[in-house]
Amino acid sequence: GIQVEQSPPDLILQEGANSTLRCNFSDSVNNLQWFHQNPWGQLINLFYIPSGTKQNGRLSATTVATERYSLLYISSSQTTDSGVYFCAGTGGFYNQGGKLIFGQGTELSVKP
Amino acid sequence: GAGVSQSPSNKVTEKGKDVELRCDPISGHTALYWYRQSLGQGLEFLIYFQGNSAPDKSGLPSDRFSAERTGGSVSTLTIQRTQQEDSAVYLCASSFKRGGYTGELFFGEGSRLTVL
Repeated sequence: GIQVEQSPPDLILQEGANSTLRCNFSDSVNNLQWFHQNPWGQLINLFYIPSGTKQNGRLSATTVATERYSLLYISSSQTTDSGVYFCAGTGGFYNQGGKLIFGQGTELSVKP
Repeated sequence: GAGVSQSPSNKVTEKGKDVELRCDPISGHTALYWYRQSLGQGLEFLIYFQGNSAPDKSGLPSDRFSAERTGGSVSTLTIQRTQQEDSAVYLCASSFKRGGYTGELFFGEGSRLTVL
């Protein structure tokens, strides 16, 4: 099955800094999504981004499915951005559904 | 309800006992997923239901694990003869498939299982 690799595994930022998180897939991918898991364990869907670029406030994401990667940009980071960021997708570019496979996550800590 | 609801939120059981975890998806969502997250780890896929199709059970770790979804809505994950390595947070998610695609997944708050 598809393998998902996220980098970096850990990241410490000073408040106000920008960062880029990366997600690589071992095979063609579809239904790519980014999630944030807050320190209390709740998972929030940030983006559903099978291709192209989307922006939501200080966050934006870009997926290049043909090259099997996605990027999550966080600008002007805040302490509330702390937590673990996961990407996930389904295997196969033409796969229209099915199980979503998750990466191991990037743990972000934003210091005041 | 407005979101995915899971119960119980916390369950402590003795090794060898059976447990049932319940998931109430968002109304109208056709797809339902179960994942398991051990402490400090990523999400491990367990099982996926889509409408009336046969579920994808490829992630269930052993035959002690089973799940059903009644009436295309509520789902129950059952773990028989629990072992200490089953201790984890069990997460349920649902989505509305759009144009055949998976759609955004929305997660419940999870059921934390501790096997003594």
